[in-house]
Order: sequence, then C-alpha cells, then structure tokens
Amino acid sequence: DGGITQSPKYLFRKEGQNVTLSCEQNLNHDAMYWYRQDPGQGLRLIYYSQIVNDFQKGDIAEGYSVSREKKESFPLTVTSAQKNPTAFYLCASSPGPRNSPLHFGNGTRLTVT
Amino acid sequence: AQKITQTQPGMFVQEKEAVTLDCTYDTSDPSYGLFWYKQPSSGEMIFLIYQGSYDQQNATEGRYSLNFQKARKSANLVISASQLGDSAMYFCAMREGTSGGYQKVTFGTGTKLQVIP
Repeated sequence: DGGITQSPKYLFRKEGQNVTLSCEQNLNHDAMYWYRQDPGQGLRLIYYSQIVNDFQKGDIAEGYSVSREKKESFPLTVTSAQKNPTAFYLCASSPGPRNSPLHFGNGTRLTVT
Repeated sequence: AQKITQTQPGMFVQEKEAVTLDCTYDTSDPSYGLFWYKQPSSGEMIFLIYQGSYDQQNATEGRYSLNFQKARKSANLVISASQLGDSAMYFCAMREGTSGGYQKVTFGTGTKLQVIP
C-alpha cells in the first residue's frame, strides 16, 4: 500500500541533543511538508520541498533543518537551538496539482527533557 | 497576520443536527485552494473536502459541504446529520503560491467538535 511512514511514533531525547525525525513516502509525490502541532495552535509549517535538492523555510523554521536528497525522503532534524522542541510532528506529501490534498503520516511525538 | 482564521476553539452539536465550522482566509494569490481536514483523537489527518478559488459551485462530499463566499474570504464547513464519530478536531487549510513560485499550505488553529448523543 502506498503511504507516508513516519518513524518512530514516540521519541525521547535529552535537552541539548539533536534528533532526526524520519519521513518516507512511496506515493511518488513531488512535494513534501513538515508541520509542528501544539495544543491550541493548530499545525504550523516548518519546512517544505517541491523537488529534490530544494526546500523552503516555512513559518517556524528556526531551530530546524531538513534535506531532500531523494524524492521519497524528507528527514527533519530538530537541533539544540530549538527552544521548545517537545511537540507532535507531522509529515505530509502532495502531488503537483493545486487541487490535490496533502497526505499525512501518522506523526512522531517528540519529548525533550 | 493570520492566513487562516478559525474563531471557534470548541463547538457542541446534537447528534443528527447540522453544524457549521467557520474559516476565513487571507491571500493575494488569485489561484488558491481551500481544504478541510479532520483529526480524531488518534492523531491521523483525514482529508474531507476541497474548494478551488475559481470553482463556481460550492464543493460537496457526502455529509460535508463547503460554504464558499469568495468576496468575504470565508470557507465554512457544514456537516449535516452529525454522528458521534464526527467528534474530532477540524482544520481549515489553504494552498497558495509564493513569490518564489512555490506552493505553501498553511493551517488554521482548528475547532474541536463534540457531538452529543
């Protein structure tokens, strides 16, 4: 079955450590997105990419980094510079047309203590 | 400025009644798209309905319809005949073009809908 896989589902890290969240899709979608979800704040866009080797900062990119070396993969690194990294992270992908919806992974819940 | 505004943090609706969830948006792109998603307590994001800025008719998908008022920049979701399984968070989202030629998708803060038996 085609879909988006985010791993792991739960992730625990100590403050000051970088951590990388995985996102893989086998839908052959060109565009991929990373969102952060906090209670009461909805989904906020971190980074997005429309083609391999190209990505754009979203609304809250500070403290995060991404890469897009392969079409199917869009890993997100939460760096130690991110002041409040504990959150639910959602990855999504979409084919090219404007009317195509985002397909989401099941998310990774990151807890940093 | 908020691109997508959902002013109802929480809503209650009686089972079998209809409910309207509000969404207003702001964009300078003449060609944009509006989406609604449902997020149950399990956390998955479920696509419900889409409305394009040039679509002449309001979108409908089963019990979901989108009340699109372009001049007012509103895209309200109407759920008819509410069911207990409709209890969830609902997010409005907009896809718009950026000055660099990219397509950005932003979400509102969501509305938590609770259906009462």
